[in-house]
Amino acid sequence: GAGVSQSPRYKVAKRGQDVALRCDPISGHVSLFWYQQALGQGPEFLTYFQNEAQLDKSGLPSDRFFAERPEGSVSTLKIQRTQQEDSAVYLCASSLARQGATYEQYFGPGTRLTVT
Amino acid sequence: GDSVTQMEGPVTLSEEAFLTINCTYTATGYPSLFWYVQYPGEGLQLLLKATKADDKGSNKGFEATYRKETTSFHLEKGSVQVSDSAVYFCALSTAGGYNKLIFGAGTRLAVHP
Repeated sequence: GAGVSQSPRYKVAKRGQDVALRCDPISGHVSLFWYQQALGQGPEFLTYFQNEAQLDKSGLPSDRFFAERPEGSVSTLKIQRTQQEDSAVYLCASSLARQGATYEQYFGPGTRLTVT
Repeated sequence: GDSVTQMEGPVTLSEEAFLTINCTYTATGYPSLFWYVQYPGEGLQLLLKATKADDKGSNKGFEATYRKETTSFHLEKGSVQVSDSAVYFCALSTAGGYNKLIFGAGTRLAVHP
């Protein structure tokens, strides 16, 4: 079946612009995660949704970052007034997991954001 | 806080050589441990996992054993192939939570014929 998809795959933004990154998780997956992967580094957790509820946003680096999943399926990560340090690959992952169980997270291909 | 440390790369090997990529972790409680792989041009894929002490995860000839006493989860393969060239990430998720992953920095493996 279809995996996790993300769009756009590549985004170039001028500093100060707002961007919106989309994630389509695997159908039926309850959990959805966003991670940020800087060049040459491992992914770092940004935020977590269980269905439409955002249960953890502790990894969002500033109040310029905002994520939503209004119907418990598609999610959007929005970055306002982009800065050069926001340049990274943004990964989305989905999982069947609810709290207390270990399920595999399936990752999308990522959106590479470059802020010029 | 919880963290993962893995050996720096790149690791360069000849085909059929033995591979070890070291990974150690710091965590409260009893985390689950994972190895993810990122092939060139592709997304992250789960390679193997172990959810409790002394468990051995294995897949595609790769193995890793959850060692609580040394807080380690080293990745090994007896005979690497060119197709194993990729970036390998060690990761943990904290027990009882919703399984957010904490990753190491990644180790690039290059296998030459």
